[in-house]
Amino acid sequence: GQQVMQIPQYQHVQEGEDFTTYCNSSTTLSNIQWYKQRPGGHPVFLIQLVKSGEVKKQKRLTFQFGEAKKNSSLHITATQTTDVGTYFCAGPRGGSYIPTFGRGTSLIVHP
Amino acid sequence: DAGVIQSPRHEVTEMGQEVTLRCKPISGHNSLFWYRQTMMRGLELLIYFNNNVPIDDSGMPEDRFSAKMPNASFSTLKIQPSEPRDSAVYFCASSLTGQGGEKLFFGSGTQLSVL
Repeated sequence: GQQVMQIPQYQHVQEGEDFTTYCNSSTTLSNIQWYKQRPGGHPVFLIQLVKSGEVKKQKRLTFQFGEAKKNSSLHITATQTTDVGTYFCAGPRGGSYIPTFGRGTSLIVHP
Repeated sequence: DAGVIQSPRHEVTEMGQEVTLRCKPISGHNSLFWYRQTMMRGLELLIYFNNNVPIDDSGMPEDRFSAKMPNASFSTLKIQPSEPRDSAVYFCASSLTGQGGEKLFFGSGTQLSVL
């Protein structure tokens, strides 16, 4: 079935450095969502991308959806300790609307 | 709005015991999801309800797991008998219509430990 793959699994950065996580699908996605889960917390919705080549920004976070709608990325500029957590992408499963989550990228920010 | 409410927050039980996890979705949301999160397998969908009807239960591990949604404001996930490998965080999530392109709202989860 359709799977959403995320890399890297973990990323250590020094505070102030940039961070990027990548999400890839074997099939074309109608949309892709991004969630953030703080340690000990629950996933919280960040954003949804729908259009081919779409780019959206939320302060220091930049989200991109590939032209072929098979990949996406999340880039954080100048990381802060508050950015610590696991970032998940989620795409619809097969022909349904059910979100299938990637394994997530855990961001560790060293002060 | 109180958000998605799950109970209990933590559950510790012994192998072979029955475990029941509870979820109250956001009022007005028609879709409800149960996910399980482990280090090994990540966030897995167990079952999805729309308008209280189970639509996709292909993620339910085996017959020991069952889920019900008797009304729009309540769902349960039951494990009987429980096994140590069931230890995980179980999340309930809801969305408005389940028709796609909607964000999921997650509850705080139930941390289950089966000894």
